[in-house]
Amino acid sequence: QVQHLQSGAEVKKPGASVKISCKASGYTFSIYAIQWVRQAPGQRLEWMGWIHAGNGNTKVSQKFQGRVTITRDTAATIAYMEMTNLRSEDTAEYYCAREHDTLSGYAFDYWGQGTPVTVSS
Amino acid sequence: QSALTQPASVSGSPGQSITISCTGTNSDSGSYNVVSWYQQHPGKVPKLIIFDGGKRPSGVSNRFSGSKSGNTASLTISGLQTEDEADYYCCSFVGSGAWVFGGGTKLTVL
Repeated sequence: QVQHLQSGAEVKKPGASVKISCKASGYTFSIYAIQWVRQAPGQRLEWMGWIHAGNGNTKVSQKFQGRVTITRDTAATIAYMEMTNLRSEDTAEYYCAREHDTLSGYAFDYWGQGTPVTVSS
Repeated sequence: QSALTQPASVSGSPGQSITISCTGTNSDSGSYNVVSWYQQHPGKVPKLIIFDGGKRPSGVSNRFSGSKSGNTASLTISGLQTEDEADYYCCSFVGSGAWVFGGGTKLTVL
């Protein structure tokens, strides 16, 4: 079955970096994009960016450009999202999800369980 | 890219139907044509319930339906059940490799 297993909770100080992993299984990793979405406490879902698992193309939301890098390891079927220069406003649950233009109609059909990131001094 | 506009809250009684709207801020052609909807119960992972405007993933109840008119997408839930009480988010692929979510709507089943 399709699964995305994300790395565990993180607690970071302001200015630090965090790298979250998303291990995919149960499907052909290389034909999908892995999307990253975050949700601050009590707030809406916020799209962050994606990586195509096959060709490595990426796109990061303008809001996060310069601070977020998305990579993948195709052999291990793992996607990563790294955020630098963390601030308290980055405290949120971070999700990965898969997406395909035709197979999922540009929708995020299977999500990871989420990784809580707390940024506090 | 600004968030899509959704009502903050809607409510309905069991058995009734409700509709949640999702409006984009731009009217350029092609935008907001590929809309998906997600249900999120408190403390849970979002779940895809509608994609490509009006298609349902396998296993999603046919009480959920999606439509689009002009620059507004809509999610209708018919035959409301208590377990439908959750937050609902629309999301649109807006071209140039970017997506945007709505602000979310809290559904209360009275």
